[in-house]
Amino acid sequence: NAGVMQNPRHLVRRRGQEARLRCSPMKGHSHVYWYRQLPEEGLKFMVYLQKENIIDESGMPKERFSAEFPKEGPSILRIQQVVRGDSAAYFCASSPFGTMNTGELFFGEGSRLTVL
Amino acid sequence: AQSVTQPDIHITVSEGASLELRCNYSYGATPYLFWYVQSPGQGLQLLLKYFSGDTLVQGIKGFEAEFKRSQSSFNLRKPSVHWSDAAEYFCAVGVGGADGLTFGKGTHLIIQP
Repeated sequence: NAGVMQNPRHLVRRRGQEARLRCSPMKGHSHVYWYRQLPEEGLKFMVYLQKENIIDESGMPKERFSAEFPKEGPSILRIQQVVRGDSAAYFCASSPFGTMNTGELFFGEGSRLTVL
Repeated sequence: AQSVTQPDIHITVSEGASLELRCNYSYGATPYLFWYVQSPGQGLQLLLKYFSGDTLVQGIKGFEAEFKRSQSSFNLRKPSVHWSDAAEYFCAVGVGGADGLTFGKGTHLIIQP
């Protein structure tokens, strides 16, 4: 009974390195969302993807951040040249219907990035 | 754009006491409303949701929430809390379209013995 799977659960990077976070949605879900949670903050929407398409990336920083959801394989959130301010928990969520329904999301357990 | 306010950052409740967590939203119409719970180091689990119909909705773990249109609120309640309820609680709104969900900043629930 696989839910949303994220890996790695914890990732440590030095400033300037790259971070890659992976997300496999629930079986049968083809819509993926990435959220970022900073300490003492709620979850901030970053990007919404369907297979091979970025639908809404209005929450993504303009530089260094990118996301993809290929036809085969997991969705990947990529952060290039990480800085300390990127330290956060990154959550992936999936939905079977996308955002044309009520928006209920199923969350993974998150990837916690620490930038030294 | 929609927004969600959870006015209480921390709440401390004695085990066995009743609980109410507040949530107010701002949106021009009736949104879809959710409460999620996050245990330390874990992801978010859906407690309950409101789409339409009966304004009192029942969720898992003995939680319920009431949608009050006149107050733009969707407060979460539980008649008797257990130590295992200690967690972070997030209220969220969805409006359809391509915006995903908008979350409040969360309320940290502490249970006293």
